[in-house]
Amino acid sequence: EAQVTQNPRYLITVTGKKLTVTCSQNMNHEYMSWYRQDPGLGLRQIYYSMNVEVTDKGDVPEGYKVSRKEKRNFPLILESPSPNQTSLYFCASSLGKSYPLHFGNGTRLTVT
Amino acid sequence: GENVEQHPSTLSVQEGDSAVIKCTYSDSASNYFPWYKQELGKGPQLIIDIRSNVGEKKDQRIAVTLNKTAKHFSLHITETQPEDSAVYFCAASISGGSYIPTFGRGTSLIVHP
Repeated sequence: EAQVTQNPRYLITVTGKKLTVTCSQNMNHEYMSWYRQDPGLGLRQIYYSMNVEVTDKGDVPEGYKVSRKEKRNFPLILESPSPNQTSLYFCASSLGKSYPLHFGNGTRLTVT
Repeated sequence: GENVEQHPSTLSVQEGDSAVIKCTYSDSASNYFPWYKQELGKGPQLIIDIRSNVGEKKDQRIAVTLNKTAKHFSLHITETQPEDSAVYFCAASISGGSYIPTFGRGTSLIVHP
């Protein structure tokens, strides 16, 4: 089954404690991206990657890092989480810029 | 950059009625316009999309129309059913340049049985 898998689904942590949210896709898509969803703000892109070792900033990249060492994986790293990063995070992949996004089921992060 | 406005933010209809959600975009270079449905606890899922060389597209009870001159596109759902209740997002993107699709803020559709 074609899917985007992200883990964990729920994560509660404290300010400053480094964390990684994993994302994997099995569709051989070149494009992968991370979004955060906040009430009233919709979906905002954090980072995207057009291929292995190629990443670029989205609209809200501050406080986040990503890496793309393999085509299927695109982890999101928060080196020093802060409470304003409490949000619902989605990983997505697609064939290209003008193709549908395939989303994971989300990771709800709470930073206290 | 691109700006996408989506209205209304909440839409309440009776089962069997039609529902219309509208989006406007600012960048005339945008050429791909998908619509996503997000059910509770899940990620958004594509329900229909349209490209700038097409004015209308239909898939059973769902249709999308695009007016490039006015820079707006709309989602039409006919004969609504309770399972249509969800949050709907429109988006706009450009095939060239950076890969940053811009999303509307979402419409919460409630279909009352």
